[in-house]
Amino acid sequence: KAGVTQTPRYLIKTRGQQVTLSCSPISGHRSVSWYQQTPGQGLQFLFEYFSETQRNKGNFPGRFSGRQFSNSRSEMNVSTLELGDSALYLCASSHARSGASTDTQYFGPGTRLTVL
Amino acid sequence: GENVEQHPSTLSVQEGDSAVIKCTYSDSASNYFPWYKQELGKRPQLIIDIRSNVGEKKDQRIAVTLNKTAKHFSLHITETQPEDSAVYFCAASEWGGKLIFGQGTELSVKP
Repeated sequence: KAGVTQTPRYLIKTRGQQVTLSCSPISGHRSVSWYQQTPGQGLQFLFEYFSETQRNKGNFPGRFSGRQFSNSRSEMNVSTLELGDSALYLCASSHARSGASTDTQYFGPGTRLTVL
Repeated sequence: GENVEQHPSTLSVQEGDSAVIKCTYSDSASNYFPWYKQELGKRPQLIIDIRSNVGEKKDQRIAVTLNKTAKHFSLHITETQPEDSAVYFCAASEWGGKLIFGQGTELSVKP
């Protein structure tokens, strides 16, 4: 099976702009989670989508949003970009066979976002 | 709120020695504890995980132990090799796809 893929791999934006990142999960996986990775804060959970619904949310401002499509592909959007949003954005997919319990998460390669 | 503390932040060992990384979690409802290895410029890769109904799990040179009462879990790597050099992250989860990660441990194995 193909692994988790993310596009684009690199992005450079300026403050105030908005950006959309895409994540394609492993075939058959229903859950997609998003994480922000920075040297200072480490890996921080943004949100999770399962069957097109957000079912978990981290402590990020409303500028960070996401959605999931019927084929389980997910997008995240960051509006009004700030310098501090520069980070590696990782998505991870899991099968979520039994719904609520945590299944193994497989990570994509990430999108490196630089905000100037 | 939910929190995972990981120690040490850096660890240097000689090839062949053992390495131990420890994590403590705050949410007593956590029931799933994975460990990820991340090499420079690469994605995190799962190396082992454990659920709260198990106290210990082993996979070749890697083992994880869980103490639910004390709310801590540890990663043990025996017979370390240079290719084990990477950043290791522990995580905890109560349910669904929400992982709370520790700050990471940079492991260096010197030949």
